[in-house]
Order: sequence, then C-alpha cells, then structure tokens
Amino acid sequence: EVQLVESGGGLVQPGGSLRLSCAASGFSLRTYWMIWVRQAPGKGLEWVANIKQDGSEKYYLDSVKGRFTVSRDNAKNSLYLQMNSLRAEDTAFYFCATNPLYSDGWAVDSWGQGTLVTVSS
Amino acid sequence: QSVLTQPPSVSAAPGQKVTISCSGSSSNIGKNYVSWYQQLPGTAPRLLIYDNDKRPSGIPDRFSGSKSGTSATLGITGLQTGDEADYYCGTWDSGLSGGVFGGGTKLTVL
Repeated sequence: EVQLVESGGGLVQPGGSLRLSCAASGFSLRTYWMIWVRQAPGKGLEWVANIKQDGSEKYYLDSVKGRFTVSRDNAKNSLYLQMNSLRAEDTAFYFCATNPLYSDGWAVDSWGQGTLVTVSS
Repeated sequence: QSVLTQPPSVSAAPGQKVTISCSGSSSNIGKNYVSWYQQLPGTAPRLLIYDNDKRPSGIPDRFSGSKSGTSATLGITGLQTGDEADYYCGTWDSGLSGGVFGGGTKLTVL
C-alpha cells in the first residue's frame, strides 16, 4: 500500500524552527517529484514547495522563500521541510504528496494525513 | 485571495448534476493542466481529476473535468450525500513558478 506519513509538527514560538519529515512506504520515493502543501485550520489549500527526484530543482511559495528548505533522502525514502523564522501565518496542517508519474502536468496525489504546525507565543 | 477563482458554495439534490467552475489566467490554466481535489470533512484531500479530464484509478466516472481557455470545470453526476465535501482546483503557474489552488467550493447535497 502506498503511504506517506508526516511527522515533526508541534507548537513553536514565532521566530523558531521546526523540521518536518515525510516517510514513504509501499513505493520508492526516488522516482517522484515531491510536494509540500499546507492548509491553515478551516482554510483552503496552499502549495508550499516542490522538489525534483534528485533534488536538483526546488520551487517555493514566495512567502516561505529564504525561510523554508525542502530536501530529500532517497536512500531513506524520506522527504523533509526545514522551517526557520516561523511566523503566526505559517500555522497550518502540512501535507506531503507526490506528483503522480501518470500525469503529464502538475498534480498532487498520495497525500499523507498531515502534521499540524502551530506558531504562537 | 486565491490565484484561481471558485464559487464558495454550490448545492443540488441527490441524483442531480452539479458543476464547479475554476477561473484563472494565461499563466496558469491557460498554459498548464488542471487538477481537481475532493476533501471530505476531517480528511486529507484526494486527487479526483488530473491533466484536465483524466481520472485516477478508483475514481468513479460520475466525476468529470474539462478545460477551455483560462477556465476549467468539474462535473459531478448522480449526486450522493457522500459527495458532500470541499472541492479544489489546482494547476501550475508558469509566471509564479509555483503551484496554485482555488479557494475551494463547498458542495452541499440537499
């Protein structure tokens, strides 16, 4: 069974840091573009970052550029999101997902269950 | 303010058909494939439609997608109470070099 499980969320003060992890099982993460999407409680979806299979290309939402870093360890079948200088507006559920191989474009599939990041003093 | 524009809500009776629109621009929908997502209450989203009009394995053919110019539409036929959910469109924006979603549409099956 294809599964993605996020971890690392929690309560952090403004200006603090967190590192999210996403563990893949049932498939090899190395063949996929990987995606982070977030959703503030009660709000809509917001794309955060993309990373290519070998990590050579990365794209970020403007509001997180310079603060967030997406990375991957294909040997560990894992994806990461290092979040620094956190702000209240970063409070959200963070989902990891794949860009499906069967798509010719950008799409988001195999969503994890999400991990909640709360930025508050 | 989302880059893609969707109606906040739509409603229809069980068994009926509903459509949800998604409006964008030449840098996103006009240039790239559109996908659609269903988010049932308290769950993660799931992919319903990709590449404008294709369904992943396991998605019923009651769900359909189309695209024309800078707009896209999700259609759902034979509405069931279990279809009550939030629906989002998404695509890549070549000008922003990033993914973009619509604000979401809440479907109520009366």
